[in-house]
Amino acid sequence: GAGVSQSPSNKVTEKGKDVELRCDPISGHTALYWYRQSLGQGLEFLIYFQGNSAPDKSGLPSDRFSAERTGGSVSTLTIQRTQQEDSAVYLCASSWEGVGYTFGSGTRLTVV
Amino acid sequence: AQKITQTQPGMFVQEKEAVTLDCTYDTSDPSYGLFWYKQPSSGEMIFLIYQGSYDQQNATEGRYSLNFQKARKSANLVISASQLGDSAMYFCAMREGHSSYKLIFGSGTRLLVRP
Repeated sequence: GAGVSQSPSNKVTEKGKDVELRCDPISGHTALYWYRQSLGQGLEFLIYFQGNSAPDKSGLPSDRFSAERTGGSVSTLTIQRTQQEDSAVYLCASSWEGVGYTFGSGTRLTVV
Repeated sequence: AQKITQTQPGMFVQEKEAVTLDCTYDTSDPSYGLFWYKQPSSGEMIFLIYQGSYDQQNATEGRYSLNFQKARKSANLVISASQLGDSAMYFCAMREGHSSYKLIFGSGTRLLVRP
């Protein structure tokens, strides 16, 4: 597609529920990244995919967080048993190797 | 240790004046890339400028220029002739080496342009 698409744009969930966030990268982009941005803060790296494999999962804050990427394209970030501290904007980005980084508009997650 | 440090949480600048946003970085890899992004209140991340570690000249893109001082490990963003629309958060980021393409971001600087 023309840009990086993320869905949903907003998600309100109850504490303890699981959520899935979706990222559709730019067609042909080999690398995909997930970041988390809390209110007024910088971007915290979560995970990076090269193709379908994730060589760097170092930023995932706990085992409640997982992500997968299928067909070298769409990625899903899953948060299990959500907590209030998981409330943030989750940003996805994609690039062709190390160039052309493009960000999606994010998913705003609110855990109540 | 912080890889990217932005020491100015907030900055003011008068419209039409120039402003410098500071960024220092920490890496032992000789090959790296430095990026600046703008994030307006709408939340989108807008790429501004890129500097490679082996680039001989400072990068420029329109009103944006990057003051790259390799020995000091600094990559300051200079915005010339500030406009009201420049009011936003600005993030410095680094990509290290060839083994990973991930970007590491600083904490950001909020710039407010006064009319």
